[in-house]
Amino acid sequence: DGGITQSPKYLFRKEGQNVTLSCEQNLNHDAMYWYRQDPGQGLRLIYYSQIVNDFQKGDIAEGYSVSREKKESFPLTVTSAQKNPTAFYLCASRLGGSWNQPQHFGDGTRLSIL
Amino acid sequence: AQKITQTQPGMFVQEKEAVTLDCTYDTSDPSYGLFWYKQPSSGEMIFLIYQGSYDQQNATEGRYSLNFQKARKSANLVISASQLGDSAMYFCAMRGTSGGYQKVTFGTGTKLQVIP
Repeated sequence: DGGITQSPKYLFRKEGQNVTLSCEQNLNHDAMYWYRQDPGQGLRLIYYSQIVNDFQKGDIAEGYSVSREKKESFPLTVTSAQKNPTAFYLCASRLGGSWNQPQHFGDGTRLSIL
Repeated sequence: AQKITQTQPGMFVQEKEAVTLDCTYDTSDPSYGLFWYKQPSSGEMIFLIYQGSYDQQNATEGRYSLNFQKARKSANLVISASQLGDSAMYFCAMRGTSGGYQKVTFGTGTKLQVIP
């Protein structure tokens, strides 16, 4: 079945360590997004990408980096510069070209500091 | 810049009653889209309903309807005949453009609890 796969489901980071969250979609969607969700809070946009090899910073990009080398993949790296990385991270994709297309979400990755 | 505001952090509703969840937005885009999503405690995001800025009629999807008032920049979600399974976080989101790129911004959400 088509969908978005995020891995791992749970991730632990040590001090000074970079970690990478995986996001893969087989929906043939053009646009992909990364959001951060803190407990009891809304979703804040980290990065988004409309096409391969192009991405834009969202509202809270500092301490994060992304790449979009393939249409189906949009990995997020949480760098050591992100001092408070503990959160729930959601990846989404969306079919471009029409205003009424909703985002499809993965099941999320919970990141914690060791 | 675009912004979504949800002013109700939490709401209670009696089972089988209707409930309205508020959403106001701010954007300078002439064309935009508004979405509502449901997030149960398990964490997945479920798409509920969409309203386009040029749609003449309010959107409806089963027990969900959207009270869209463009001049007031509001897009409130109405859930009719509430069920226990409706207990969840509800997010309003807006799709607009930023520097030519498609951007989707979410509000802070409303936690709805349905009381038996």
